[in-house]
Amino acid sequence: GAVVSQHPSWVICKSGTSVKIECRSLDFQATTMFWYRQFPKQSLMLMATSNEGSKATYEQGVEKDKFLINHASLTLSTLTVTSAHPEDSSFYICSASGTTIASNQPQHFGDGTRLSIL
Amino acid sequence: GENVEQHPSTLSVQEGDSAVIKCTYSDSASNYFPWYKQELGKRPQLIIDIRSNVGEKKDQRIAVTLNKTAKHFSLHITETQPEDSAVYFCAARRGMIKAAGNKLTFGGGTRVLVKP
Repeated sequence: GAVVSQHPSWVICKSGTSVKIECRSLDFQATTMFWYRQFPKQSLMLMATSNEGSKATYEQGVEKDKFLINHASLTLSTLTVTSAHPEDSSFYICSASGTTIASNQPQHFGDGTRLSIL
Repeated sequence: GENVEQHPSTLSVQEGDSAVIKCTYSDSASNYFPWYKQELGKRPQLIIDIRSNVGEKKDQRIAVTLNKTAKHFSLHITETQPEDSAVYFCAARRGMIKAAGNKLTFGGGTRVLVKP
C-alpha cells in the first residue's frame, strides 16, 4: 500500500520551456503533498507544502511564481516549473501523506523526476 | 525552525560489521523521526521510524534509538550486506502533518558503502 506515482521520470527540454510534473497517490487519499528538490550528492530540500483545495505554502527562497503548485484533488498534485533555465535542472521528488487526522503519518515518496534544461 | 545534523557524511564498513549513523535535532517539539534509504537515482524509502513515546525500535537488522532529553537519535544496521550500500537520511517532524509547518526536516545524508 501507500504508493505514490510521479511522472514523468525524466525530462530534457530547452531553456524557457515550462514543465509540468504530476504526483499521484494511487491507493490512498493524500491530504498533504510535499515537493522537494535534490541536487547531486545533497539532501532533500523542501520547496513547498500543498494541502488539497488550498494554496501551497512555499519555503523561504522558493519563487511561487516560478514553481506553480496545484493540489486540486486528494490524489493529484502538480508542479509546473515555468520558463525553466539550466539552473533549475535537478531531481524533483514529491511526497504524500494520508487523510487520517492521527498524528505522525509516514510520508511516501514518488520516484522523482530528473529535469535537465539545455 | 528545525535543524537536523547527521554524521558521518560517509561510512565504509566491511560486510558483516555494524553501521551506526547519528542525528541531532534542535526543535524539542519534534516527535516523529523517520529514516530513509535512497539508492542512486531512486526514491527515498522509509526503512524505520520512531515516535517520541518510544526509546528504541527494532526491525530485523535495523534498529533506531531515540534520546529526547539529548535530542538525538541513531540508526543501527547490524550484519551489513552489500545491498545495504546507499545514502541514508534521518528526518524530524512535529506532530500532525496537516498543521502548518509540520514538515519533515532532513539531515544531510550518510553515504554508506559495505565492502564485500
